Formats: sequence, structure tokens, C-alpha cells
Amino acid sequence: DSGVTQTPKHLITATGQRVTLRCSPRSGDLSVYWYQQSLDQGLQFLIQYYNGEERAKGNILERFSAQQFPDLHSELNLSSLELGDSALYFCASSPTTGAVYLPLHFGNGTRLTVT
Amino acid sequence: AQKITQTQPGMFVQEKEAVTLDCTYDTSDQSYGLFWYKQPSSGEMIFLIYQGSYDEQNATEGRYSLNFQKARKSANLVISASQLGDSAMYFCAMREAKTGANSKLTFGKGITLSVRP
Repeated sequence: DSGVTQTPKHLITATGQRVTLRCSPRSGDLSVYWYQQSLDQGLQFLIQYYNGEERAKGNILERFSAQQFPDLHSELNLSSLELGDSALYFCASSPTTGAVYLPLHFGNGTRLTVT
Repeated sequence: AQKITQTQPGMFVQEKEAVTLDCTYDTSDQSYGLFWYKQPSSGEMIFLIYQGSYDEQNATEGRYSLNFQKARKSANLVISASQLGDSAMYFCAMREAKTGANSKLTFGKGITLSVRP
């Protein structure tokens, strides 16, 4: 158990809809990262927050947004969903930001299916 | 250019034998970290082992060891005494200091390992 909690585990929704994925980092971790895993793109970094502030953006679509709350949990919002957004979405956490020697600890992921 | 290259499409190993999973990386940074993760069919990402760019010795963690060849920019994962539960996808990943305070993990495409009984 990595200590990172993601909910829900599975999400099935229709095109055009909006969903929210939730992540609670490991106790004491201030940094949260979101990744998308699809068969064709592999594991892609989406966005990172550190102690409530956005720190880095990757290949995140404008239809997607995220935030990190004062209690350090994070939410990833996906809107105007398309079939191609179907993927496994991971949240990962780390104690700090910028420490190359520290691994990211991943949650079990949320599998999103857009029909 | 790809930062992490994993070219083996799929690997098979007999139970109790050792297997090496290849990873090459590309960076101009002097300070970086290399990581291996395991993803079983259930989907979770499990951290296995870490190697720092300044580490002089190869990292080991139980049955996992990392064959780090800095000049060749390779960081191959060696799994000794393979077990059926080792069947999974394995990802090599890197964190670079030059990306600044954010230092995301960049992943390779992964290698599927199947352990035969």
C-alpha cells in the first residue's frame, strides 16, 4: 500500500460530461502529481501541485483542470469528455518538490471509460 | 528525442531464473535520479528501486538490482530468482534536476515480463 488514495476506482460516463477525480496524498507529502496512462501515449505527466500551488504543467488539455486544497488532497476535473479521454489516471505524491532522489508514490489509479 | 527508451517488446523468463530489463536514458543534466516501477495487471504502480546519478555503487533492493552504466546512459533492472508474481509491466523513469523545483518523473514505454512456471 503506497499510502496514496484515489477515488473512484472506476468511472464510466458519456461524451460531453464532466467528472472529478480525487486524490489524497501520503501523510506528510506536500507535492501531488497527476498522470494519464493510455495505450497509445503511455504514461503522460499532466500537472503538479505543491502545498496548494500549481508548480508544473505537462500535456494537460484545456478541458482539464486541477487544484490542491488546504488539506493537501487534490482533484482533477475533466470536462467535455471525449472518447479519447478514456484512460487510467494516476495521482502520485512526494514529500517535497525538486528532490531527484525521491520516488513518487502512486495511487491505484482511476480508470475512466468514456462511452 | 525520447528521454527514456525501453525497446524490448516483451520478455519471457523461466521461474527461478534471472532476467535483465533494459533501459537507456538521455539527459544533459549532471544530477538526476533513475527509478524502476512495476505495474501488475491489477494496474497499480509499485516503486521498486532507485539509482542516483552520483551513486558509485549499483543499487540493490532484495531480488532487484540496477546495472548502472553512466557513460553508456543505461540503467538496466536485474531481477534474480524470478517468481510467478513478477509477471507485470516494468517502467523505467527519470527525474532531472534541471527541470527545476518541479522535477516530474518521465517514463519509458515499459516492458512486459512474463514468468513461465
